[in-house]
Amino acid sequence: GAGVSQSPRYKVAKRGQDVALRCDPISGHVSLFWYQQALGQGPEFLTYFQNEAQLDKSGLPSDRFFAERPEGSVSTLKIQRTQQEDSAVYLCASSLLTYNEQFFGPGTRLTVL
Amino acid sequence: SQQGEEDPQALSIQEGENATMNCSYKTSINNLQWYRQNSGRGLVHLILIRSNEREKHSGRLRVTLDTSKKSSSLLITASRAADTASYFCATDPYSSASKIIFGSGTRLSIRP
Repeated sequence: GAGVSQSPRYKVAKRGQDVALRCDPISGHVSLFWYQQALGQGPEFLTYFQNEAQLDKSGLPSDRFFAERPEGSVSTLKIQRTQQEDSAVYLCASSLLTYNEQFFGPGTRLTVL
Repeated sequence: SQQGEEDPQALSIQEGENATMNCSYKTSINNLQWYRQNSGRGLVHLILIRSNEREKHSGRLRVTLDTSKKSSSLLITASRAADTASYFCATDPYSSASKIIFGSGTRLSIRP
């Protein structure tokens, strides 16, 4: 079956631009996670959804970051007024339930110029 | 902040040798997972070990967990060129209902 997909795979933005990153989780997976991965580092937790409810957004670095999952499936991570420090790979993962194995998408590489 | 710290940061071995990576963490956990990431790709789940387990095997992988020392090790036996990747441990803190926290990873290179 299809895995987790993310789009776009690559995004170049000018500083100050808004961007929207999309994640399509595995069908039927209740939990959805967003991570930010800087070069040479491990992924850092951003936020977590259980169905449409955003239960944990403690990892979002600033109020410029916003995530939603309105119908409990597809999720969008939006970054407003992008800054150079936002440059990273943004990974999405889904799991059947919270404590299960997480399946990761290929990520979106964001470069802010 | 990252809870897990992998050791070594980088490891280069000959094909056919065994590779051992270690992970230390700070707080009590529900379980610990190991993931692999090939360059420019997403993470692939390798194995999950629960806090009440001490050792687990999956194919050429062997994971140990010592909760008293807050450490885990991942052993890859009879390494292959395709094992070249970064390996991350990820912990599910007991205090957290949701998040898992990744370490900074070990970059493993297998020389042919």
